[in-house]
Amino acid sequence: AQSVAQPEDQVNVAEGNPLTVKCTYSVSGNPYLFWYVQYPNRGLQFLLKYITGDNLVKGSYGFEAEFNKSQTSFHLKKPSALVSDSALYFCAVRDSSASKIIFGSGTRLSIRP
Amino acid sequence: EPEVTQTPSHQVTQMGQEVILRCVPISNHLYFYWYRQILGQKVEFLVSFYNNEISEKSEIFDDQFSVERPDGSNFTLKIRSTKLEDSAMYFCASKGQRMLDQPQHFGDGTRLSIL
Repeated sequence: AQSVAQPEDQVNVAEGNPLTVKCTYSVSGNPYLFWYVQYPNRGLQFLLKYITGDNLVKGSYGFEAEFNKSQTSFHLKKPSALVSDSALYFCAVRDSSASKIIFGSGTRLSIRP
Repeated sequence: EPEVTQTPSHQVTQMGQEVILRCVPISNHLYFYWYRQILGQKVEFLVSFYNNEISEKSEIFDDQFSVERPDGSNFTLKIRSTKLEDSAMYFCASKGQRMLDQPQHFGDGTRLSIL
């Protein structure tokens, strides 16, 4: 069965510093991996995806994610954090034989000024 | 940019009552989904819908739940007899193409509170 794990409930970073939000996955077959962000009282916004090709994928708002097959990881990164990046971040995997998305438990990112 | 819209934003209902949550997917999308998020917990898949029928449903989506696309624009989730544990945020999502790598686009959700 497909699954994702986000080992950190919360990540705290000072503005201007690099940030990493961790995600590991378990899939059978090729992974289809996604990152979504949820701002307060809003739905899930798509940030980026990995399907195939370059291990470093770039997405919205300056975010990027690095796919590492040997470590089965797909960590979300940003070189310089902004206070406005504070939100809940979800890693997700697409079930390769079905249509649903399986979400991780979410990581709350807090950027302090 | 086109959006998925959901109404109402907040629904308060007495236990045992029926509730209908409404969604207007992006206009040219063909695949539709409902997810829910109980407060403080992860987002869980409920059901997917394509070509006027359910493609897949989770264990959560029992006989109390149903989905419908009554016209060309709306996609609804009905809970026949609500329970306290149905209290959650319910998110609608849609997708335009069948390819597995296409992202789903989510609405802002309906907060359902069962009293």
